[in-house]
Amino acid sequence: AQTVTQSQPEMSVQEAETVTLSCTYDTSENNYYLFWYKQPPSRQMILVIRQEAYKQQNATENRFSVNFQKAAKSFSLKISDSQLGDTAMYFCASKNNAGNMLTFGGGTRLMVKP
Amino acid sequence: SAVISQKPSRDICQRGTSLTIQCQVDSQVTMMFWYRQQPGQSLTLIATANQGSEATYESGFVIDKFPISRPNLTFSTLTVSNMSPEDSSIYLCSVEDAVDEATDTQYFGPGTRLTVL
Repeated sequence: AQTVTQSQPEMSVQEAETVTLSCTYDTSENNYYLFWYKQPPSRQMILVIRQEAYKQQNATENRFSVNFQKAAKSFSLKISDSQLGDTAMYFCASKNNAGNMLTFGGGTRLMVKP
Repeated sequence: SAVISQKPSRDICQRGTSLTIQCQVDSQVTMMFWYRQQPGQSLTLIATANQGSEATYESGFVIDKFPISRPNLTFSTLTVSNMSPEDSSIYLCSVEDAVDEATDTQYFGPGTRLTVL
């Protein structure tokens, strides 16, 4: 079974600064996918970024990038130039290549301060 | 990605009653899922809605409590039966894999906030 752990229940960052959210996971599979989702107060779950485990290159999406350390089973999210609209819950999730079930971490509440 | 809608967006219900939540997708998808998010918690998978067959339930969830329908490739419903205050949660549907494209990524609907009094 997969497990996903987010060790930071809450974080805050000043607008325009950079913040990193931590995520570790455990899986016995060799092929899997990792995701970061954002859930603002509107409660819509929005995909932020996606990483295939077989790719060594870290995924990037505009101001969002990941630091994927496969051996350490770590998948942190870096948000650069933080904006007020980045305030939300952030969930890390994993999925085996062979299955469809998403396993979520407990979430990190991020507050961007003006 | 697919556009996903859910109805209702929120509801307040009396204990002992049932509520059916609808999930509509603007394109045909292979996989549809239902999740529960209890207050202040992460998401837990309830079941996978299979088109043309019974849903596949995760441990701790049963068909009598959460019956699911999947009549076609764009629509699914989740019913929360015989509700109690412990069922107060956000219920989210998600989809994966358009019929003609494997994406390995789940996209979520806007959720239904249920409060049971």
